[in-house]
Amino acid sequence: DTGVSQNPRHKITKRGQNVTFRCDPISEHNRLYWYRQTLGQGPEFLTYFQNEAQLEKSRLLSDRFSAERPKGSFSTLEIQRTEQGDSAMYLCASSLPGTTDTQYFGPGTRLTVL
Amino acid sequence: QKEVEQNSGPLSVPEGAIASLNCTYSDRGSQSFFWYRQYSGKSPELIMSIYSNGDKEDGRFTAQLNKASQYVSLLIRDSQPSDSATYLCAVNMLLGGSNFGNEKLTFGTGTRLTIIP
Repeated sequence: DTGVSQNPRHKITKRGQNVTFRCDPISEHNRLYWYRQTLGQGPEFLTYFQNEAQLEKSRLLSDRFSAERPKGSFSTLEIQRTEQGDSAMYLCASSLPGTTDTQYFGPGTRLTVL
Repeated sequence: QKEVEQNSGPLSVPEGAIASLNCTYSDRGSQSFFWYRQYSGKSPELIMSIYSNGDKEDGRFTAQLNKASQYVSLLIRDSQPSDSATYLCAVNMLLGGSNFGNEKLTFGTGTRLTIIP
């Protein structure tokens, strides 16, 4: 257990529905990252926060995706109008900025879109 | 060319032998390198980090970095069945003018390792 928690751990939804995932980082970590991983691939970067500021977004993050970190603590990732191609493991990681910037991952949320 | 390349395997190694995992990366500006282990259905778990050329040892694991060749490797000595997993190489690059790590890790597709009892 790295200290990063994610909820829910599994989510099954129908195409077209909206879903929201939550990530709670390690308490002293002010950097928070979202990644997406599909079968047989490495995690792919989606977006990143330093405190409450969203500093970088991947082009993978279409306008159906939105992420927030309103108080610089937990973060939410929302997917609107889900598509079957959104089925993946959504991973959250956190880090303490510095010369190493080591990222520690939570257990992930597995999304299945039917 | 992919940014981070790994042999997808599967790599099969007898129990007790040395497993050697390799990774190459394309960006010469990369500064930090990580190996994560991922069991099926689980999230990545940090195994090793390395930042300067040479070897870094931690228990049965040794990471090797050669920035001139843009190559990083992981050796696992005395391989155990519990080492059977997918090993992900990840690279983090310093942005120009930044004193901190990049905002993202770039991962390879992972090498699936099987330790044969």
